[in-house]
Amino acid sequence: ETGVTQSPTHLIKTRGQQVTLRCSSQSGHNTVSWYQQALGQGPQFIFQYYREEENGRGNFPPRFSGLQFPNYSSELNVNALELDDSALYLCASSSGLATGELFFGEGSRLTVL
Amino acid sequence: GQQLNQSPQSMFIQEGEDVSMNCTSSSIFNTWLWYKQDPGEGPVLLIALYKAGELTSNGRLTAQFGITRKDSFLNISASIPSDVGIYFCAGQLWAGSYQLTFGKGTKLSVIP
Repeated sequence: ETGVTQSPTHLIKTRGQQVTLRCSSQSGHNTVSWYQQALGQGPQFIFQYYREEENGRGNFPPRFSGLQFPNYSSELNVNALELDDSALYLCASSSGLATGELFFGEGSRLTVL
Repeated sequence: GQQLNQSPQSMFIQEGEDVSMNCTSSSIFNTWLWYKQDPGEGPVLLIALYKAGELTSNGRLTAQFGITRKDSFLNISASIPSDVGIYFCAGQLWAGSYQLTFGKGTKLSVIP
């Protein structure tokens, strides 16, 4: 059974640039959620995808967008990067929409200079 | 948005000691979960609680879902060095989505 994998693991961008983060869900999981974890904080919900549709969004501006593909993998896109976007971005997959039992990847560490 | 207050923020204990940490909220949740995060890793689920008053164990870990649905605690018995890490509580309530709201974490250090 393959776990949740994320890429890239680390990246550095400058303010104003755009970034795409990728996530492959665990085998058999059809739901993907994205969380932002600032240093020293708990993860904060960005949005969730189920059957290629966004299902719920946290308190993040529209420049945070995402996609889910037919194989349940997902992308997180962030436009017009700001310094405060520096964080660990976690992808989590689950076997259904309603469960809180999430399986997290190791995250993508984004640094915005 | 909703806030979870997790305490203590950090703790240092001797190997073999028991540990207790808790989480409170101003809002109710339908599900409480406890996750552990090691450095450089994503959080890993330890225990999930689905019913107010429920007490659930997973090895040396025991967690309870408070009867008011606004709090939860996690106990670790006979701590060992591999218990080191950051423990997060998380609450889930259907409110347009099934998002989890996380606390800020309790950082546990175990002294051999």
